[in-house]
Formats: sequence, structure tokens, C-alpha cells
Amino acid sequence: DAKTTQPNSMESNEEEPVHLPCNHSTISGTDYIHWYRQLPSQGPEYVIHGLTSNVNNRMASLAIAEDRKSSTLILHRATLRDAAVYYCILRRGGNEKLTFGTGTRLTIIP
Amino acid sequence: DVKVTQSSRYLVKRTGEKVFLECVQDMDHENMFWYRQDPGLGLRLIYFSYDVKMKEKGDIPEGYSVSREKKERFSLILESASTNQTSMYLCASYTGPEGYTFGSGTRLTVV
Repeated sequence: DAKTTQPNSMESNEEEPVHLPCNHSTISGTDYIHWYRQLPSQGPEYVIHGLTSNVNNRMASLAIAEDRKSSTLILHRATLRDAAVYYCILRRGGNEKLTFGTGTRLTIIP
Repeated sequence: DVKVTQSSRYLVKRTGEKVFLECVQDMDHENMFWYRQDPGLGLRLIYFSYDVKMKEKGDIPEGYSVSREKKERFSLILESASTNQTSMYLCASYTGPEGYTFGSGTRLTVV
């Protein structure tokens, strides 16, 4: 499975945008980019996913580099409830397995 | 919304006991997964199942087995619990292109 690299931790101020980076230089053409987050004492929850084009949903935006070797999860206006561990994961098309790394621990400063 | 329910939130068992962790999903999904989560190691896949009575080993299956007798239920079994199996156990159901819905987890302590 192709691997992803994320910073161990990040901090951001409340009500400001947050950009969470992910490198995946060995991504293949059929790999989807998924983002999950894990709030304290809960299981991971789906945030967003994409293949080639940028994606938006009610939770976040996903910006994918043109060469697909990196991506950025964008939280447009961070709240204290966004404090969580964020995982960037590659999923091969047709394969239902997800391989998690250790993610980025996001701290929101009031 | 899909619901994945793990029967116990916290569990304390003795070394050598046989332990059953239960997981139920309510959406008739075929693919279900068991992960364990440990500090600094992230989530690691133990076993998964893509249909009733079908199972496949994940990355760390040693010391575990699974049972899938009905589509909605996927059980993780620790045949003889050991202290190094103290962990958070997470069950997930594959919901489609978006990926997984996870349960809230079972924190197992083996003493």
C-alpha cells in the first residue's frame, strides 16, 4: 500500500482556517485520498475523499495537487469541536481496506 | 445514518480468559473490519470479513480469531487473553465510496 506522511501535530486559532497537509509521493492512479478524523474517546469518522479534483462538503474541502503527490485538508473556520486526530489515507480503487497512519493531532486554541 | 454498535465500552478480563467482542451494523453491509488502536501505533487491522462465514487476516491477526455467522454481526475472539492485548478495539463497516463507519470502540484491559 502507498504510504502517507503527515505532521505529528498542529495548532490553530479558533475561527481561523486550518490547512492540514499530507504527502503521498508513491500514490498510484487508482488510489483515492481519504481523510478521517478521530475525536477524543470516539471511533474515526469520515471527513472527505477525492481522486483527482478538489472536493468540498459541509465539513471541509480537499485540495489535491496536480501531480497528486500531496493534498491538503482545509477546515474553513476551526471550532473547538474540530480538535481531533486527522488521518490522511490512500485507498486503492476496488479495495475496501484502509491502512491508517498515526495522523496529525490538531489543537484549537480559543 | 449507518449505525455500528459495539456491545461494550469498557471491559476488564483476566489473563487466559476467552474474550468475545461483539459488533453489529444495521445496514446490511458485506464488509466489516476489526482494528486495534494503541498509542503511537495508530489503528492496525486485525481481521476483516467480506461476507457471512468469510474472513481474511489483516496485519496483526496473531492471538485473535473472528466469527461472522450473520451479516450484521462480526465478533472478535481472543482465545486466551494476554496483557499485551490490552488495547482499544474498533469495529467498522464499509459503507461504500466514502469508506467506513466506525463504532465507538471497546477499551479492553487484561489483568
